[in-house]
Amino acid sequence: KAGVTQSPRYLFKTRGQQVTLSCSPISGHRSVSWYQQTPGQGLQFLFEYFSETQRNKGNFPGRFSGRQFSNSRSEMNVSTLELGDSALYLCASSSLDGEKLFFGSGTQLSVL
Amino acid sequence: GEDVEQSLFLSVREGDSSVINCTYTDSSSTYLYWYKQEPGAGLQLLTYIFSNMDMKQDQRLTVLLNKKDKHLSLRIADTQTGDSAIYFCAESRGTNAGKSTFGDGTTLTVKP
Repeated sequence: KAGVTQSPRYLFKTRGQQVTLSCSPISGHRSVSWYQQTPGQGLQFLFEYFSETQRNKGNFPGRFSGRQFSNSRSEMNVSTLELGDSALYLCASSSLDGEKLFFGSGTQLSVL
Repeated sequence: GEDVEQSLFLSVREGDSSVINCTYTDSSSTYLYWYKQEPGAGLQLLTYIFSNMDMKQDQRLTVLLNKKDKHLSLRIADTQTGDSAIYFCAESRGTNAGKSTFGDGTTLTVKP
């Protein structure tokens, strides 16, 4: 079974631009979560989608948004990029029983 | 809010046992997790324990949970150089691993 796949692996953007990150969950998984990982703040929960609906949301500004498609693939969008948005963005899908989380390798976003 | 704390660094000799500790504050935590992150990779779920258990063993890994003190530990027996990585403790409520709270990670260095 293929794992969680994220694309692209690396992104370089400048301040003020916007960016879209993509995530494909493990086949059959319906829940997709997004996390931001930085050296200073650690792993911070962004949001979770289940069956195309946002089920949970973390404490991030409205510039961070996401969506999920009918095939459970998810995208995350960050608008008006700031230098502080530079981070590793991790996507994860939950097992059907909701007990386990499986992570992708992440997208490393650098805002210059 | 919920908080998960871990010591930042641990160094051991190859062949010794490693013990990584974690404390959490949320008494409603249902599942407690241990993840491993190697450089340039996402998080890999190592093991997890339900809150009504006090111990779980999985090959070289032993998880101990003291629910009264909200203390979780991960023991790695016969530690190898390949175990060098960052280890994250996390907790979730209910069967919703998608919204987990993570500690800042413990960097384990295994010296030959």
